[in-house]
Amino acid sequence: DTAVSQTPKYLVTQMGNDKSIKCEQNLGHDTMYWYKQDSKKFLKIMFSYNNKELIINETVPNRFSPKSPDKAHLNLHINSLELGDSAVYFCASTTSGGASGELFFGEGSRLTVL
Amino acid sequence: GESVGLHLPTLSVQEGDNSIINCAYSNSASDYFIWYKQESGKGPQFIIDIRSNMDKRQGQRVTVLLNKTVKHLSLQIAATQPGDSAVYFCAENRLGGSYIPTFGRGTSLIVHP
Repeated sequence: DTAVSQTPKYLVTQMGNDKSIKCEQNLGHDTMYWYKQDSKKFLKIMFSYNNKELIINETVPNRFSPKSPDKAHLNLHINSLELGDSAVYFCASTTSGGASGELFFGEGSRLTVL
Repeated sequence: GESVGLHLPTLSVQEGDNSIINCAYSNSASDYFIWYKQESGKGPQFIIDIRSNMDKRQGQRVTVLLNKTVKHLSLQIAATQPGDSAVYFCAENRLGGSYIPTFGRGTSLIVHP
């Protein structure tokens, strides 16, 4: 029973394509995140979303957009992929206002843009 | 901001030694701190947390120390084992509200048998 699941785990695509990465959590959390991890392992927040508020890191290009069909899902859509988008993307979730701020992460989706 | 051009800090230890991993945080208003462990090919996983009203917390083989004066965290791992080899991150957070957890650079721990 995977708590936070991402698909696909690996994605190889050409520059200029549009792709999506899906994330689902079965923990009943109300807040989900997308992080980008570069080759130096730096974890950079991209988006934070709950049913009330979307917070976007202002440095994220508008080619990236989060889409949340319901509270358990937060998908990441990327338009016009560029070489620099190659990275591992992690979805995470938590309960806002809870006693613990622990994030639960998915296994990551490795995106390679050729 | 992001430190461009720096390699991932690495700590190499022998099996059985104690390991200390350090982390500096930036936001004085942060009131909750977590250490995560990321094994190769996996997502970060919770190890131990500490609130700002504490300066020390112990878990199984791990201890976290918090020094709010200098905004510094450390993770101590006792009797390090090969299975402890991973990248370790500290994260700062503020409970309640919409604060987004921010991660430090990460330290790669290599345990030699």
